[in-house]
Amino acid sequence: EPEVTQTPSHQVTQMGQEVILRCVPISNHLYFYWYRQILGQKVEFLVSFYNNEISEKSEIFDDQFSVERPDGSNFTLKIRSTKLEDSAMYFCASSEASGVNTEAFFGQGTRLTVV
Amino acid sequence: GQNIDQPTEMTATEGAIVQINCTYQTSGFNGLFWYQQHAGEAPTFLSYNVLDGLEEKGRFSSFLSRSKGYSYLLLKELQMKDSASYLCAVRDQGGKLIFGQGTELSVKP
Repeated sequence: EPEVTQTPSHQVTQMGQEVILRCVPISNHLYFYWYRQILGQKVEFLVSFYNNEISEKSEIFDDQFSVERPDGSNFTLKIRSTKLEDSAMYFCASSEASGVNTEAFFGQGTRLTVV
Repeated sequence: GQNIDQPTEMTATEGAIVQINCTYQTSGFNGLFWYQQHAGEAPTFLSYNVLDGLEEKGRFSSFLSRSKGYSYLLLKELQMKDSASYLCAVRDQGGKLIFGQGTELSVKP
């Protein structure tokens, strides 16, 4: 069964360092998303991406964040200068379309710990 | 604004039926989704409703009333492995999911 894959599963980084979280969405999907979940809190939307550009972003997704689809398969989230409060689970998701009758499939997540 | 409410936690007995409610107020609506999430893992899709009424999928059913901004997830024949967090999420017009806080379900023997 096709699945969304994320690497690494766990990353520890020092405050101020740059991190890149990687995702391989399901191959025929066109819409890509990043969500995050701080421990004990709800899943929050960060950004959606379609047709090689950002279609929507949340208030969380400030200038420290960027996304890229460098080739036909990878979808990356970069945090330029990590802060302690960036520690969270980051989930990548993809869907065939954005409308009704289309579910989003989530990857297993990357646990980011900023120390 | 966007607001999705569901109970923080519930407890039920193995073999029983449990209903998890969700109310929502969102600026756009393109379907209501239920996800299951075990601790430290990704949300996994359970069901969705776009039109009013009941959708059944094995031991899981989900109901939607758009006029009331209300949905519930019904779990039958509860098993210990059903202990998890259940997330209610609304998909907006842009396609993103807006999640509730999640309901932590504990199934006791």
